[in-house]
Amino acid sequence: DVKVTQSSRYLVKRTGEKVFLECVQDMDHENMFWYRQDPGLGLRLIYFSYDVKMKEKGDIPEGYSVSREKKERFSLILESASTNQTSMYLCASSTLGAGVYNEQFFGPGTRLTVL
Amino acid sequence: AQSVTQLDSHVSVSEGTPVLLRCNYSSSYSPSLFWYVQHPNKGLQLLLKYTSAATLVKGINGFEAEFKKSETSFHLTKPSAHMSDAAEYFCVVRPPNSGYALNFGKGTSLLVTP
Repeated sequence: DVKVTQSSRYLVKRTGEKVFLECVQDMDHENMFWYRQDPGLGLRLIYFSYDVKMKEKGDIPEGYSVSREKKERFSLILESASTNQTSMYLCASSTLGAGVYNEQFFGPGTRLTVL
Repeated sequence: AQSVTQLDSHVSVSEGTPVLLRCNYSSSYSPSLFWYVQHPNKGLQLLLKYTSAATLVKGINGFEAEFKKSETSFHLTKPSAHMSDAAEYFCVVRPPNSGYALNFGKGTSLLVTP
């Protein structure tokens, strides 16, 4: 089974702190994604990566950056956390095989609270 | 951008009765369509996906969805609800030529009462 793990289930940070969210997948997937999930808004794509050191902005990249130094690991960075970044963050991965019908596999999520 | 609209934010059914969760998509072409489920405090799990091989798609846990191009719909159904079906359900579209992006609907919360 594909496994996507995220470093923390719950995280509490203070405004202005630099925050790192880590995601690791064990299936040698080329693509990795970061979403945030807010009630009534569904999931919104922050950034994705289709290869090591490659990244693309999603729909809401402002206030975030990412890093992918190894194929299995994709990090989301909040340079200076703000209260409006309080949210559930979900990481996902997918393979290039089978083209557009590829499903994404999700981690359990990190619930981040910024005080 | 191509998108999906989930027509109900909340659906409540009694255990043993049918489930219908409605999803419409906006597309000039046949997109790739998915339904995901999220149980409380869990990650998202794929229920089923439309791959153009058949318009009626069967998924896990007895769910199925029918792709209707004329109605631009991809509704999710189950003949008989179980208590364990209570969860958040997301209709998802990958537009043609979109690369890797998925567009998520806002979700439908399914409540199953005894």
